[in-house]
Amino acid sequence: GENVEQHPSTLSVQEGDSAVIKCTYSDSASNYFPWYKQELGKRPQLIIDIRSNVGEKKDQRIAVTLNKTAKHFSLHITETQPEDSAVYFCAASNDFGNEKLTFGTGTRLTIIP
Amino acid sequence: ETGVTQTPRHLVMGMTNKKSLKCEQHLGHNAMYWYKQSAKKPLELMFVYNFKEQTENNSVPSRFSPECPNSSHLFLHLHTLQPEDSALYLCASSRLLADTQYFGPGTRLTVL
Repeated sequence: GENVEQHPSTLSVQEGDSAVIKCTYSDSASNYFPWYKQELGKRPQLIIDIRSNVGEKKDQRIAVTLNKTAKHFSLHITETQPEDSAVYFCAASNDFGNEKLTFGTGTRLTIIP
Repeated sequence: ETGVTQTPRHLVMGMTNKKSLKCEQHLGHNAMYWYKQSAKKPLELMFVYNFKEQTENNSVPSRFSPECPNSSHLFLHLHTLQPEDSALYLCASSRLLADTQYFGPGTRLTVL
């Protein structure tokens, strides 16, 4: 089955700086890579996703990049704000094989004012 | 409330009690999941149901018993739990197994 590793487990960033969270996956057939954000006391929610037919996707201050050859993908947050403080989870799945999403172990991001 | 709902939101139970957690999704999805979230393991998959059939049980102790009567409802029956079972239990659903999962708000369980 798929195995997703996520690093770092914790990350502190000065407000206004950029944050990068990285994930690697094991199954070369995986083709769908969502990212979830879980704020304190709330449920995980999808914030951005990417499929293997593109290398990068942006949505305002967040972007995700994918390197299929190296089997890793990353979340980039620019101009960080206090409301970006949360736990972020990456995930991967193979929708051709209808394999369920496998989640990473999460990154606790703290934005320092 | 739309999306994925869970009841109760908070539950305190003794080790000899029997209780059930309920999850309902209003999204027309076919797959449903139970996760346990704790400080030790941020998102630990417990059970997977696809079209009402259990497709995955991640070595969960038998004191946790899932039930999926239809694609919209998922239950987690609890009996003779241990204090270490105290955690946030999250339900999720997706249209198909490989699709984006949508989470419920969770049930905060405390076992005394």
